[in-house]
Amino acid sequence: DAGITQSPRHKVTETGTPVTLRCHQTENHRYMYWYRQDPGHGLRLIHYSYGVKDTDKGEVSDGYSVSRSKTEDFLLTLESATSSQTSVYFCAISVAGTSGSMNEQFFGPGTRLTVL
Amino acid sequence: GQNIDQPTEMTATEGAIVQINCTYQTSGFNGLFWYQQHAGEAPTFLSYNVLDGLEEKGRFSSFLSRSKGYSYLLLKELQMKDSASYLCAMGGGADGLTFGKGTHLIIQP
Repeated sequence: DAGITQSPRHKVTETGTPVTLRCHQTENHRYMYWYRQDPGHGLRLIHYSYGVKDTDKGEVSDGYSVSRSKTEDFLLTLESATSSQTSVYFCAISVAGTSGSMNEQFFGPGTRLTVL
Repeated sequence: GQNIDQPTEMTATEGAIVQINCTYQTSGFNGLFWYQQHAGEAPTFLSYNVLDGLEEKGRFSSFLSRSKGYSYLLLKELQMKDSASYLCAMGGGADGLTFGKGTHLIIQP
């Protein structure tokens, strides 16, 4: 399972409150990613990281920020949650896979976030 | 940019064969991935194609034609546990994957 955990696994919050989701990995992988998954949209990339303190924006980064102060932790923050950010959030890491791909992605179990 | 199309839903019979198609447009190609996702769970890796042709892995095979912007996932000897969503994705670089919206496969007895 590539040693990826996410916390919390479920969260209900109110509009306007800050929320931080945590992704933790135990195998020292360099690349980490945050995606959101919504019906009718599939998985979409929010932000990604290619090392400690090195991050970049993905397709749907507005309203989100990230931080990576340690290799093992990648945090996703919603500064002021809105109902449109209700979604399932997946963290992923990237490894050189047995398939020949240099960036085979393994996903964490997901966090289901509801913003009321 | 990148764009990926795949059917929204398909139905097949236990023991049969099903082919899930994926077409894509991209300005730069790094590889084509297929993932399986059961309801309420995380996606899991199935296959990767970067060269044209067929990659076989047990009951699952994946095909790629780069000139046609086309891939398919072939599932043989279908089992009830194969009921899931199948996600076509492009990427392979360090900047993440671009996913299609997924094909929900329903297996009937």
